[in-house]
Amino acid sequence: GAGVSQTPSNKVTEKGKYVELRCDPISGHTALYWYRQSLGQGPEFLIYFQGTGAADDSGLPNDRFFAVRPEGSVSTLKIQRTERGDSAVYLCASSLGVGTGELFFGEGSRLTVL
Amino acid sequence: KNEVEQSPQNLTAQEGEFITINCSYSVGISALHWLQQHPGGGIVSLFMLSSGKKKHGRLIATINIQEKHSSLHITASHPRDSAVYICAVPDRGSTLGRLYFGRGTQLTVWP
Repeated sequence: GAGVSQTPSNKVTEKGKYVELRCDPISGHTALYWYRQSLGQGPEFLIYFQGTGAADDSGLPNDRFFAVRPEGSVSTLKIQRTERGDSAVYLCASSLGVGTGELFFGEGSRLTVL
Repeated sequence: KNEVEQSPQNLTAQEGEFITINCSYSVGISALHWLQQHPGGGIVSLFMLSSGKKKHGRLIATINIQEKHSSLHITASHPRDSAVYICAVPDRGSTLGRLYFGRGTQLTVWP
């Protein structure tokens, strides 16, 4: 596609439910990043991939969060047993390579946990 | 961890004014990003710079690596420049993909 695509754009769920957020990066971009942004704050790093492997997942807040990128393209961020504190906008970005080049962001997935 | 501070947090200007937004960070870096975020959340990359100055239209970004400081300037500001401007820097360690973001500067330009 022309840009980074994220789905769903909005997700409302109940506490305790499982959620998947999808990111489709720009074709050919090997680096993919997940960030989380709470209201009034700057984005916060969660995890990034170089190809299929998670190069750094140290930003994931706890073991309820997990992300995969099995074929080196589309990535899925998975959140188990959601909590109200997980409510935020989840942003995905991609770049040609890690630490090099311009970042391209998706529009984000707004998650609301009731 | 790289601590990133932006100032001011909020900025209001009249159309045509020259705008400056500042960013300082705590750990030496290889490059710095300036990003623009409009209401609704979409983030656009404005600049990635590692030294000196870059210019794109009415936007100018400068960086002083020794002083760990960068500025974003907007000349002849316009209401459509109203947005949140965010600077971001990488982790100096091996994980260059990990970025630390400032909290952003909310710019409002009035006609």
